[in-house]
Amino acid sequence: GIQVEQSPPDLILQEGANSTLRCNFSDSVNNLQWFHQNPWGQLINLFYIPSGTKQNGRLSATTVATERYSLLYISSSQTTDSGVYFCAVSTFYNFNKFYFGSGTKLNVKP
Amino acid sequence: DAMVIQNPRYQVTQFGKPVTLSCSQTLNHNVMYWYQQKSSQAPKLLFHYYDKDFNNEADTPDNFQSRRPNTSFCFLDIRSPGLGDAAMYLCATSLRGTATNEKLFFGSGTQLSVL
Repeated sequence: GIQVEQSPPDLILQEGANSTLRCNFSDSVNNLQWFHQNPWGQLINLFYIPSGTKQNGRLSATTVATERYSLLYISSSQTTDSGVYFCAVSTFYNFNKFYFGSGTKLNVKP
Repeated sequence: DAMVIQNPRYQVTQFGKPVTLSCSQTLNHNVMYWYQQKSSQAPKLLFHYYDKDFNNEADTPDNFQSRRPNTSFCFLDIRSPGLGDAAMYLCATSLRGTATNEKLFFGSGTQLSVL
């Protein structure tokens, strides 16, 4: 099956700093989503972005499908951004199945 | 608001005692998923339903079963829970699972403890 790798595994930021999270995948994808898991375990969908660039407030994401990676940018980080960020992908031949990367644990300090 | 609801939020069971976790959705989505998430790990897909069609992951233990009696409800049955089955169980839905712009919607999860 498809392999999904995220980096870095852990990230500590001072409030106000910017960061870039990366998701690499081993096969062509028809769907890619970024999630934020808060400390209570709730997974919140941030972006669905199989290709191209999207922005939502302080967050933006870019997927370069031909090179099999996606980036999540967080600008002017806040303590509420803390948590774990996951990317999840599905493929053209397993389009109903979403597989998660290992996640990036972000800790934003005041 | 339309949503994915999981009950209970916390479930405690005894080693070997069958347990059922429930998930309901008001989104009228075709696809429902069960994921298992152990501490500090990524969610792992156990199985999913596309309407009434059940799709099991190859590495999902036989101890885990699922039922989907109608569009709105889906259940996860663990027939004989072991200590290694303690985890967060997440239910998710998607409309069709096919379109490139579809989102996954997650419930808040059930944290299962096995004593």
